[in-house]
Amino acid sequence: KQEVTQIPAALSVPEGENLVLNCSFTDSAIYNLQWFRQDPGKGLTSLLLIQSSQREQTSGRLNASLDKSSGRSTLYIAASQPGDSATYLCAVNGPSGTYKYIFGTGTRLKVLA
Amino acid sequence: DGGITQSPKYLFRKEGQNVTLSCEQNLNHDAMYWYRQDPGQGLRLIYYSQIVNDFQKGDIAEGYSVSREKKESFPLTVTSAQKNPTAFYLCASSMFNEQFFGPGTRLTVL
Repeated sequence: KQEVTQIPAALSVPEGENLVLNCSFTDSAIYNLQWFRQDPGKGLTSLLLIQSSQREQTSGRLNASLDKSSGRSTLYIAASQPGDSATYLCAVNGPSGTYKYIFGTGTRLKVLA
Repeated sequence: DGGITQSPKYLFRKEGQNVTLSCEQNLNHDAMYWYRQDPGQGLRLIYYSQIVNDFQKGDIAEGYSVSREKKESFPLTVTSAQKNPTAFYLCASSMFNEQFFGPGTRLTVL
C-alpha cells in the first residue's frame, strides 16, 4: 500500500532563506507526483507536476525534483517571502491506477519578515 | 474564468440529516474527485469518477453517495450513516494526471 510522508511537519525560516521541503513515498511505481500549496481554510493550489519520466520541474522560485528509485521528491523554494507561508502537500498517483492519488500530511511553512 | 466551484462554503447539519455538497467545473475535465480533510491528516479519497455515469469508491466511501449525470457536476451527499461527518470537503478534477481543486466546503454537525 502506497504511503506518503512529509518531513518536517512544520518549519519556520527567516525571510530570504532558501529552503527544501521533503516528500517520500514507499512504492516507486508511480505515474506522477504533484506539489500543492494550501492556505488556511482554502482549497489546494497546484504548484508543480512531475511526470514519472521527468527528473525535475521549475516554476519561478520553485523547483521540484523527483527520484523514483529512492522514493523521494524535494520542493526547493528560493529566496523565501512571507507570502510563501502556507502548508505544502505532495501527492502521488500509482501504482493503483492513475486516478487514485495518495497525499502526504503536509509541511506547514512560516516565513518570518 | 475556468475553474471549480463548491457550494456552500459552510454547511451545518443536524444529527440524522442528509446534506448535499455541490461541485461544478467548467474545465472540461473528464475525471472528478471528492476528498475529506481532517486536522493533522492528509486528504482521504471518498469517491472518484472517470466519466459521466460512472464512479468508484475511494478509501472512505461509507456513509457517502455521489452521482455523475453531467460532465460538469459531481455532487456529494453525506448521509445520516456517516457518523463523524464534521470535516473540510474538497472537490477536484483532473486532466492528464494534474489535479485542480475547488475552494472547499466546511461541514459541521450540530
